[in-house]
Formats: sequence, C-alpha cells, structure tokens
Amino acid sequence: QKEVEQNSGPLSVPEGAIASLNCTYSDRGSQSFFWYRQYSGKSPELIMFIYSNGDKEDGRFTAQLNKASQYVSLLIRDSQPSDSATYLCAVNIPTNTDKLIFGTGTRLQVFP
Amino acid sequence: EPEVTQTPSHQVTQMGQEVILRCVPISNHLYFYWYRQILGQKVEFLVSFYNNEISEKSEIFDDQFSVERPDGSNFTLKIRSTKLEDSAMYFCASSVNSRPGRSYEQYFGPGTRLTVT
Repeated sequence: QKEVEQNSGPLSVPEGAIASLNCTYSDRGSQSFFWYRQYSGKSPELIMFIYSNGDKEDGRFTAQLNKASQYVSLLIRDSQPSDSATYLCAVNIPTNTDKLIFGTGTRLQVFP
Repeated sequence: EPEVTQTPSHQVTQMGQEVILRCVPISNHLYFYWYRQILGQKVEFLVSFYNNEISEKSEIFDDQFSVERPDGSNFTLKIRSTKLEDSAMYFCASSVNSRPGRSYEQYFGPGTRLTVT
C-alpha cells in the first residue's frame, strides 16, 4: 500500500460547484494532515491543516479527517477558475517523525 | 506576511560541479527542511534540521548532500558533485515548532530549479 494515495485526476467541476478531493494514508498512528495547493511551476502553498477527527472550516475550504478510516478530504465550496491547481495531501509518516510524505496530488480544473 | 525565500530561482550547472542552494526561513521558525520535486513527480523529503544539526534524512540525502546554517538567517543545501538525476525543484520549508510524532505547519519557499547538464 502506498503511504499517501490520491486520485491524480483531473477533477473537473463547474464554477460555483463544490470540489471534493480525497486522500488515504497508510499509517494509522499519523497525527498531522495538510493540504497544499500547487500551481504549475510553483511551490506548495499551505491552505489547510487538521490534527483532530472531524471537520475544520476556513473560508471556502473544509478539511475532513477520519482517522478510523485513514481518510482525509478537502472540500472547496463555490469553486472558482483560480482554484484550478494541483492539490497535494501531506501526512507525517511514520508517526515518530515530523517529515511530511506527500501524495501525488489531484489536479483540479474549474471551468467557467 | 513573513515568507521563506530562496536563491537562486534557477541554477544551471554541469555534471560533477558543486552547487549551493540558499534559503532564508521565516524569522521566528526553528525547524528547517529541504524537499525536492522531480518534474512530474511528487514532493520528496530530503532532510530536516534543528538546533544546528540534522534531525532526520532520507535515503536520497547521501554523502553528496550537506546542509548548514552558516549564520542566524541562512540555511543552505550543498550538493558536492552533481549528477544528471539531481535535476529537480528544491524547496526549503520552515516550521515554528515540532515534536516527535507531530508535524506542525511547514511553509515552503518558492524553490530553486536545478538543471544539471
């Protein structure tokens, strides 16, 4: 099993819709979960982090964590064309470290 | 808003040459990292650094790589003898805090694109 898995996409959604991005991870003991946005040729930009089970909302973004299912997701409400980017899920694996293991990323396309 | 900076933005070098990539982490951050991303691939951890020593390094970070914090602001990655396969984007990141088993938010710099010919 890969350490951090994401569907590579592309995920295409119309402007104004909700985009749902998913990520699964291998280490049940992981405690730190991050979503980064990466535009083509640019560096990862931290947009959300979550440490506890449940939902965490910040503006149009909601991160959801389910440790029992080893699943973390990112919802983007009212998607805009400017949200078109690759979204990277990152998790601390193994659990006794602070290094981040990244997934391959999901490419999101928001069309007008 | 404070940010991580990196220089140069693009470095072209010949195989076998030494390169030094420079980073200025966010000023109140104490934990520093280097990651790399080969074109079209995922971001990979190279090394973490705290209190003037390496905390952890990956298999990629072999004897050709070294890191240093030469003064109170800069954090450098040196590749002693570059290989073609070292061509990648190198990202510096910093974090205000860390503890075993818990990563805190890591903020990335804009990256240095290293091209080895």
